[in-house]
Amino acid sequence: DTEVTQTPKHLVMGMTNKKSLKCEQHMGHRAMYWYKQKAKKPPELMFVYSYEKLSINESVPSRFSPECPNSSLLNLHLHALQPEDSALYLCASSQAGGPSGELFFGEGSRLTVL
Amino acid sequence: GENVEQHPSTLSVQEGDSAVIKCTYSDSASNYFPWYKQELGKGPQLIIDIRSNVGEKKDQRIAVTLNKTAKHFSLHITETQPEDSAVYFCAAFPTGANSKLTFGKGITLSVRP
Repeated sequence: DTEVTQTPKHLVMGMTNKKSLKCEQHMGHRAMYWYKQKAKKPPELMFVYSYEKLSINESVPSRFSPECPNSSLLNLHLHALQPEDSALYLCASSQAGGPSGELFFGEGSRLTVL
Repeated sequence: GENVEQHPSTLSVQEGDSAVIKCTYSDSASNYFPWYKQELGKGPQLIIDIRSNVGEKKDQRIAVTLNKTAKHFSLHITETQPEDSAVYFCAAFPTGANSKLTFGKGITLSVRP
């Protein structure tokens, strides 16, 4: 069982909707990540929060807005998405405070944009 | 930036046989090499890793080897079982602030019962 919990597991939204993906970890990890994964592709980094501060933004469109309310929680706010944004969105955490290669992933939130 | 190549893209083995997955990397600054297993409908799971000061590491049926000179590393699974069927991603991580983990394209391993 993963110790990184993501909700919801599935989300269907229209292009005009506003929704949020949520991620929680209670391992005391210092960094949290959002990745996007398309079918049969590796995960692609979107954002990294290190000690609750945004440290990496991989030039992600502004329709994706991350938020880190505290060291255990990570949100991804979605607005005015496009059908090509449909993907599996993975949250991860690492014990190391900075970017790390040793990641603990959640099960993901599968997003479908109609 | 780093480039990680992973070959082949699919691999099918008979249960009980061994499986070897090979990866190459380009950035000599990379010093951490994790392997992730992703089962259908789940997130990737770190199964084994190796650092650049080590040539080989073993954990029960899985092992990883690293050749820094040739810039390649491999995952070895012995006595394969059907539950080993999954997508496996190799990755490389360099030192430095704001370093990013670079994944290979992934290989789909199928273990035939």
